[in-house]
Amino acid sequence: GAVVSQHPSRVICKSGTSVKIECRSLDFQATTMFWYRQFPKQSLMLMATSNEGSKATYEQGVEKDKFLINHASLTLSTLTVTSAHPEDSSFYICSARNALAGGHQDTQYFGPGTRLTVL
Amino acid sequence: DQQVKQNSPSLSVQEGRISILNCDYTNSMFDYFLWYKKYPAEGPTFLISISSIKDKNEDGRFTVFLNKSAKHLSLHIVPSQPGDSAVYFCAASGGAQKLVFGQGTRLTINP
Repeated sequence: GAVVSQHPSRVICKSGTSVKIECRSLDFQATTMFWYRQFPKQSLMLMATSNEGSKATYEQGVEKDKFLINHASLTLSTLTVTSAHPEDSSFYICSARNALAGGHQDTQYFGPGTRLTVL
Repeated sequence: DQQVKQNSPSLSVQEGRISILNCDYTNSMFDYFLWYKKYPAEGPTFLISISSIKDKNEDGRFTVFLNKSAKHLSLHIVPSQPGDSAVYFCAASGGAQKLVFGQGTRLTINP
């Protein structure tokens, strides 16, 4: 299988606080995980590529100091939204590649997503 | 620059009939294409994929067709079922690990 979990599924926080979202690959090791953001009725926007043991690669326009990514193990990547503001409210989704599962190595398996609401 | 385009934001199909979702791409370096299904407030679920060396891949009710010369792919669902109602995203990759997603098509299956 290729199951990816996220925690929490939903979080509400006050403006100025930091929020950490965890992404875990449950039944495989993921050297690469991805973090996406989805606005209502829009497509998935890739924020960054998270590589185990090294720094994340951020997409153009994504503030790396605001969206901190840590990929400390082969099964866990975390996204921390620092000093969150209402405009950071969104649906955040992670994904992972399971290079050993057979099939194409570029297939990504997604977590269930985290709904962040910043008051 | 939208490299992957799904020009139909929505599609309604009667239960039991065929659903055809379309996707166009512009980057000739793309060599792997995927379709994902997404329900509201959930992450996308991988459905089916196709490599550029093929022009058709079938998995149960789902078939993906690839026309490289036209840079076009389509997803056929037959017969359509009420549980197929969701947003469908096509995605493409060109060996750089990243997937590029289309805007999505909302499919509604009517009883």
